Amino acid sequence: AQSVTQLDSQVPVFEEAPVELRCNYSSSVSVYLFWYVQYPNQGLQLLLKYLSGSTLVKGINGFEAEFNKSQTSFHLRKPSVHISDTAEYFCAVTLTDSWGKLQFGAGTQVVVTP
Amino acid sequence: DTAVSQTPKYLVTQMGNDKSIKCEQNLGHDTMYWYKQDSKKFLKIMFSYNNKELIINETVPNRFSPKSPDKAHLNLHINSLELGDSAVYFCASSQETSGGADTQYFGPGTRLTVL
Repeated sequence: AQSVTQLDSQVPVFEEAPVELRCNYSSSVSVYLFWYVQYPNQGLQLLLKYLSGSTLVKGINGFEAEFNKSQTSFHLRKPSVHISDTAEYFCAVTLTDSWGKLQFGAGTQVVVTP
Repeated sequence: DTAVSQTPKYLVTQMGNDKSIKCEQNLGHDTMYWYKQDSKKFLKIMFSYNNKELIINETVPNRFSPKSPDKAHLNLHINSLELGDSAVYFCASSQETSGGADTQYFGPGTRLTVL
């Protein structure tokens, strides 16, 4: 079975500073990897996903993530955050024939302060 | 137009009651899901339907019964509510066949509080 570990439960960051959110996964078979964002009192929204090909994936709102197969990681980065990036960020994994059965990490709360 | 909508947004009820949450998507997707988010924000899939057929059924008490009258709707009925059922329930949809690659679009959530 696959699993996802988000290494930081909370990441405080100043506005315009860079941020990195760490995600590690374990699986004995091929997986797809996702980052979703949940703004306060809202549903989840896809930031980006890795299916195959280039290991650097660019998403919405200036976010990007790098798939590292040898380290089984899929870390999310943004070079300069805004106050509006304050949200909960979820890393998720699914097997490649799973009908979209997403397994989510525990989430990382990003708090951006001026 | 809201892509994935859920009603109600808030639901407060007593233990032992039966309640339903409705979900509708206007994206033309074939697959719909129910997720439960607990108080620690942990998200777990409960069910998924593809073209009205149940395809994912996780370890969920049989007090929870999903129903899909058509592929645009997926409702969740909960019998004999318990305190531990208090959570936020999210509906989602995707244009999913079997591959797992498609983006899931989430509704705004229904916050269920059982007293």
